[in-house]
Amino acid sequence: AQSVTQLDSHVSVSEGTPVLLRCNYSSSYSPSLFWYVQHPNKGLQLLLKYTSAATLVKGINGFEAEFKKSETSFHLTKPSAHMSDAAEYFCVVIPLGPGFQKLVFGTGTRLLVSP
Amino acid sequence: DADVTQTPRNRITKTGKRIMLECSQTKGHDRMYWYRQDPGLGLRLIYYSFDVKDINKGEISDGYSVSRQAQAKFSLSLESAIPNQTALYFCATSDLAAGSGELFFGEGSRLTVL
Repeated sequence: AQSVTQLDSHVSVSEGTPVLLRCNYSSSYSPSLFWYVQHPNKGLQLLLKYTSAATLVKGINGFEAEFKKSETSFHLTKPSAHMSDAAEYFCVVIPLGPGFQKLVFGTGTRLLVSP
Repeated sequence: DADVTQTPRNRITKTGKRIMLECSQTKGHDRMYWYRQDPGLGLRLIYYSFDVKDINKGEISDGYSVSRQAQAKFSLSLESAIPNQTALYFCATSDLAAGSGELFFGEGSRLTVL
């Protein structure tokens, strides 16, 4: 079975400090992994995706994530938080097995950024 | 204009009423989805469709039905709304040819059932 665990429901940082949002996955097949961001009253927007190419993936707005197969992790990082980064972030896995595979969403991490 | 448009954006209704949420897309994607978002639960798949003649149940389809009227339109119906269907509903699309599985979301329809 496929699953995604986002280890923190809320993360609080100060503006200008690093951001770390943690994600662990379980998948029977080699997965594709995504991070989506949801700003208030908006739909989800793709931040970045891993699809078996480079293990360090760079996304929009300065975010990046590293796929670590040995740790089954895909943590999202940013060197310096900005107020506009305050949002909810979802880690998503698609197991790349035969046939149609449904996306599995994590429960989300709300990032709070204080001045 | 948004690539994936949902209407209405907000709706308040009463228990037992029939509700339809509509979704249209201009991306030309073949696949369309309806998700429900509840606090602390992430997104859960209600129904998905690969084309006009292909409708599939997701993990929480009970109490919901869908219609794929055209490649670009996918509507979600609640035949008799109940309070625990109060949630934020998202329509999404994906492109089979792209192969990555990336979803493109509408801005959501917030439904409140009293």
